[in-house]
Amino acid sequence: DVKVTQSSRYLVKRTGEKVFLECVQDMDHENMFWYRQDPGLGLRLIYFSYDVKMKEKGDIPEGYSVSREKKERFSLILESASTNQTSMYLCASSFGAGTEETQYFGPGTRLLVL
Amino acid sequence: AQTVTQSQPEMSVQEAETVTLSCTYDTSENNYYLFWYKQPPSRQMILVIRQEAYKQQNATENRFSVNFQKAAKSFSLKISDSQLGDTAMYFCAFILSYNQGGKLIFGQGTELSVKP
Repeated sequence: DVKVTQSSRYLVKRTGEKVFLECVQDMDHENMFWYRQDPGLGLRLIYFSYDVKMKEKGDIPEGYSVSREKKERFSLILESASTNQTSMYLCASSFGAGTEETQYFGPGTRLLVL
Repeated sequence: AQTVTQSQPEMSVQEAETVTLSCTYDTSENNYYLFWYKQPPSRQMILVIRQEAYKQQNATENRFSVNFQKAAKSFSLKISDSQLGDTAMYFCAFILSYNQGGKLIFGQGTELSVKP
């Protein structure tokens, strides 16, 4: 079974703090994704990566950056956390370059920024 | 731009009954894939079913089946013999075929409660 893990299930941070969310997948997947989930809005893509050291902006990249130094690990960075970044963050991965590949999701990190 | 709309924010169904969740999407492209994902309370999102747009036959997975109407741009999910474990948030999602790396577009979600 594909396993996607995220470093924290719950996180509380202060405004202005730098926040790191880590995601690791164990199936040698090429593609990795970071989404943000908000009630009534579904999931929105923040960033994705289709190869090591490669990254592409999604629909809502402002205020975020990412890092993919190793194939299995994809980090989401909030450079200076703000209250409007309070949300559920989901990481996902998929195999290969084809967009039709099923994405496998991590359990999510619920972030509260005070 | 592609959009996905789920017009039912919440639904409920009695155990053992059948329920249909609706989803419509908008695209000018011809080649794409559609998915239904399930997110149980406090648990991981998992794939329920997927449909390739070039296939006319509706996808089925055990008690889950879809009604794919390409001309109408409709992709509904039918859950037969509903079980308590089907209680979850359900997301409809769409992806184009040609984009490198993929960009899955989600609907707003439908929260389904299965009542005993």
